[in-house]
Amino acid sequence: DIQMTQSPSTLSASVGDRVTITCRASQSVNNWLAWYQQKPGKAPRLLIYKASSLESGVPSRFSGSGSGTEFTLTISSLQPDDFATYYCQQYNDYPWTFGQGTKVEIK
Amino acid sequence: EVQLLESGGGLVQPGGSLRLSCAASGFTFRNYAMSWVRQAPGKGLEWVSTISGSGGGTFYVDSVKGRFTISRDNAKNTLNLQMNSLRAEDTAVYYCAKGKGQQSVFDYWGQGTRVTVSS
Repeated sequence: DIQMTQSPSTLSASVGDRVTITCRASQSVNNWLAWYQQKPGKAPRLLIYKASSLESGVPSRFSGSGSGTEFTLTISSLQPDDFATYYCQQYNDYPWTFGQGTKVEIK
Repeated sequence: EVQLLESGGGLVQPGGSLRLSCAASGFTFRNYAMSWVRQAPGKGLEWVSTISGSGGGTFYVDSVKGRFTISRDNAKNTLNLQMNSLRAEDTAVYYCAKGKGQQSVFDYWGQGTRVTVSS
């Protein structure tokens, strides 16, 4: 199975900050990598797919980059609505696997 | 508007069975793969199973193979997950999720149904 490791596990930031979350795969997933946002008690929301494609309706302050084994999710200017947990997911190979999550907290 | 509504969760004893359902609307159901993703209390997301649009292809995470069966009824726009031989580690919120066309990601999710396996 492909292991996905996110860093950091928790991130404290302020409104307006530029935030970067990293996701590393134990083997190449090419660019078959997605990012989700989840708020407490809610279902996840798709933000990015194919490493860098922005899902419809997602604000342009979210962006994704990377290929192979290293990927990043960047929030260019953190907004109050962005405090949440973020997960990466690889879909290069079954079983599809998620990272352990990165919680973005208010500093 | 795409809607996914799960049902069937509850409390079940270890070794018991439960059948989850997901009623879909707002899109051409038969054209999309559908999946179940679960989240144990306080934990991250875990993909459980996927079924192709036609129902001819099914995929499972190893930990549920032989115990869980995914199925769909394209006439009724319904996705199912039959869960047998349930274990404490199957305790989670189970989400029904729609596949995004050719991309094997999940672009719409239900609100989730809680499954608790405990004596």
